[in-house]
Amino acid sequence: NAGVTQTPKFRILKIGQSMTLQCTQDMNHNYMYWYRQDPGMGLKLIYYSVGAGITDKGEVPNGYNVSRSTTEDFPLRLELAAPSQTSVYFCASRTSGDDEQFFGPGTRLTVL
Amino acid sequence: AQSVTQLGSHVSVSEGALVLLRCNYSSSVPPYLFWYVQYPNQGLQLLLKYTTGATLVKGINGFEAEFKKSETSFHLTKPSAHMSDAAEYFCAVLRGGNNRLAFGKGNQVVVIP
Repeated sequence: NAGVTQTPKFRILKIGQSMTLQCTQDMNHNYMYWYRQDPGMGLKLIYYSVGAGITDKGEVPNGYNVSRSTTEDFPLRLELAAPSQTSVYFCASRTSGDDEQFFGPGTRLTVL
Repeated sequence: AQSVTQLGSHVSVSEGALVLLRCNYSSSVPPYLFWYVQYPNQGLQLLLKYTTGATLVKGINGFEAEFKKSETSFHLTKPSAHMSDAAEYFCAVLRGGNNRLAFGKGNQVVVIP
């Protein structure tokens, strides 16, 4: 049981490039979340999903897109990378009926 | 909307001394409150949570927190700090539906030998 896995661990992008951050969980959780963490700012919710085929915006969705075609996977897409998207990105999941969210190890993204 | 406030981004504590991290919440409904810990280069891990019932909540690694409605607080404590407690600690509250969490800005705890 690997829990929540994220790839890649590190990435450097040039302005305007695109990339997909991968998130997979093997706990059969129906709820999944994407957060970004900036120094001294805590975590901000980007997007979340309550199940396959259902996604919704969080606090800071601009510049990002998501999809949820399976229960296990919840990729986050950056279409036109900007320096403001330099951050650490965390994926999390939980099962319905439990409040605890389980976090992945994070992806550190730098946009230059 | 529900939110939490954590003051003092960096907290230094001597090994063996009391660890006290303050969290105040704002909520128009009975809050569900959480403390998460983040060790260097890792994801977040749940320390403890308050939903309903007993207001003194015990968590992992000897931490506990007390929900005080009259003070809108949920402060985290540990009687005796250990070097392994060096980490960043986040208070969070459930916001709205679908179990979305609103996080505080975090406290970076440094343990001095």
